[in-house]
Parts: sequence; structure tokens; C-alpha cells
Amino acid sequence: SYVLTQPPSVSVAPGETARVSCGGIHIGRKSVHWYQKKPGQAPLLVVYDDATRPSGITDRFSGANSGDMATLTIFRVEGADEADYYCQVWDTSSNHVVFGGGTKLTVL
Amino acid sequence: QVHLVESGGGVVQPERSLRLSCVASGFRFSTYEMHWVRQAPDKGLEWVSTISLDGNSKYYADALRGRVTISRDNAYNTLFLEMKSLRPEDTSTYHCVRGPFDPAWQSYRFDYWGHGTLVTVSS
Repeated sequence: SYVLTQPPSVSVAPGETARVSCGGIHIGRKSVHWYQKKPGQAPLLVVYDDATRPSGITDRFSGANSGDMATLTIFRVEGADEADYYCQVWDTSSNHVVFGGGTKLTVL
Repeated sequence: QVHLVESGGGVVQPERSLRLSCVASGFRFSTYEMHWVRQAPDKGLEWVSTISLDGNSKYYADALRGRVTISRDNAYNTLFLEMKSLRPEDTSTYHCVRGPFDPAWQSYRFDYWGHGTLVTVSS
């Protein structure tokens, strides 16, 4: 089955840029979605279809997808961005939704 | 305003069954694919199941196939998840999720999530 690989953790200082990677074989051929998950809250869609932001999501969130890697970039990181981030795709060969293992973003 | 409210969770003994429900409001339920996603304590998000608009197509995660059944009642804007032969490793918060299928991108995205209902499997 299809596998998405994320780093367990990323740490950045406030104001800096955070990059969260999501690796998968030929992931550039798939549509990648990203979710933010804070403790006690429901997950929130922050980027879909590789690089589109839903209404109400700040433009500090940006997505890219090519080759074997998709990336969520968070510019000018704030304390409120501290959360777990998950990538997700739909694998058409197995008809399965696949999530990455999640990346914990720590704001130093 | 989209709302998804799950219910039916609780503490259940191993090998017992449970039925989760999710009542949807704020959108035309019958025009959206729906899903269940779970998260075990201190673990990541795990997809459970997907159901088509009319309920005729259903997909399941391999780890749960044969033990769970997803269904929907469009007349009552309600999504269900029947779980049987529950195991301690099924202990999770189960989220009801709205997730339209985009044919142009051949993908489901999960645009609205319920807060979830906690299922604890323990003797």
C-alpha cells in the first residue's frame, strides 16, 4: 500500500520559516492535502490540491508538490502555529485514503 | 455553518460491538461523500472508511476490514459506523468527516471535521 513519510518533528523560532515535508513515490502525480491538528481540537484543512488555501486560512501557509516530495511551508511562524501537521492523499490503486505519520511543529 | 456531531462512543469490553452516529447540519448532506477517521491517544490520524453519496460504494482500511461497516441515511442527514469484535487497539477518538471527491484531481479532501467521539476498549 502507498506510504507517506513525514519527519516526526520540526522546530523553528518565531518569525522564521518552517518547512514540513511529505515523501511518497511519485507523490507529484497525486493531489496532496495538509491538516493542522491541535490538542483537543478537530483537525483543520490548511492546504488542499497541493497548493490551494481554503477560505480563511492565512497566506502564511503555502504548499508545493513535485517528484517524490510535497512540502508545507509556513512563513513568519507564530506561536499559534504550534501543532501537528499531517499530509494526506487518495491512493487510486487501492482506493484508500493515506495519511502521513504527522509532524510536530515546535515554535521555540 | 457546517456542523458534524458524533455520538455513541464510550467504554466497551473487548470483542463487543458499538455503533457510532454522526448528525450533519449546515449543508446538503446527500451531495457529499463522508468518512470516518480515527486518532488513538498520542498517535497520528488514521483513515477508517469512506462512503459514496448514495451509500452504494464503501471503502475500508485494511486493518479494520470485516469488523466495521459504514452506512448513511440521507433522509436523516446521519452517518453511521458499526464496529464489532472490538480490540484494545481500536481505542481512539473517531471523527466524522465531510470529504468531497474532486474528479479533476482524483482525490478526496477533508474539509470539515467533527470533534469526535472517544471509544475506549477495555475490560
